[in-house]
Amino acid sequence: QSVLTQPPSASGTPGQTITISCSGSNSNIGSYPVNWYQQLPGTAPKLLIYTNNQRPSGVPDRFSGSKSGTSASLAISGLQSEDEADYYCAAWHDRLNGVVFGGGTKLTVL
Amino acid sequence: EVQVVESGGGSVQPGRSLRLSCATSGFKFDDYAMHWVRQLPGKGLEWVSGISWNSGRIAYADSVKGRFTISRDNAKNSLYLQMNSLRTEDTALYYCAKDLMTTIPWSQVFDYWGQGTLVTVSS
Repeated sequence: QSVLTQPPSASGTPGQTITISCSGSNSNIGSYPVNWYQQLPGTAPKLLIYTNNQRPSGVPDRFSGSKSGTSASLAISGLQSEDEADYYCAAWHDRLNGVVFGGGTKLTVL
Repeated sequence: EVQVVESGGGSVQPGRSLRLSCATSGFKFDDYAMHWVRQLPGKGLEWVSGISWNSGRIAYADSVKGRFTISRDNAKNSLYLQMNSLRTEDTALYYCAKDLMTTIPWSQVFDYWGQGTLVTVSS
């Protein structure tokens, strides 16, 4: 059971906009920034969004992040087949004194 | 170009030890915190440990506290993870990851990851 809660799966068709949620508590998301990682099949994770809504250079602006209270969301607009991947949210947890991840959401592009 | 390369994984019996290494290049290693993150087979990500640029701050996940030791050698641009008293549940792909910012002690944002080294603990 992961400390941060994500839906195990999500799906959409090309061109659609989908949203992946990440729910936590005041010990993590409620007090600290949220980061998102994309893991394409068979590869290492890649930083997608940091500090709630910042995109590293090279990440398309189709990807956006937001946070409100103890929850965060990742939105992907103009869905493409190459977006099929696992997506993980992460944040610092003060009581555990460490980084906690969500369980991951497997995105399927139909 | 930033490069992060893990090594040292392998198969080991429960209770034994293993030392992972992470060689880096392409950035000023002693400016950044570093982390170990693992992924159990077919499962999600779990942060294992982090170490600040000067080793002044170190933290561990509860699941490895007291058994694993993180360290770094800034002269060699390398990160290490000494894993003792290994358990079957430590079986995972272990990633070395660079922290994004030169903040003290760390930003807990992982901007570069290696390809991982596989650790299998089995009798």
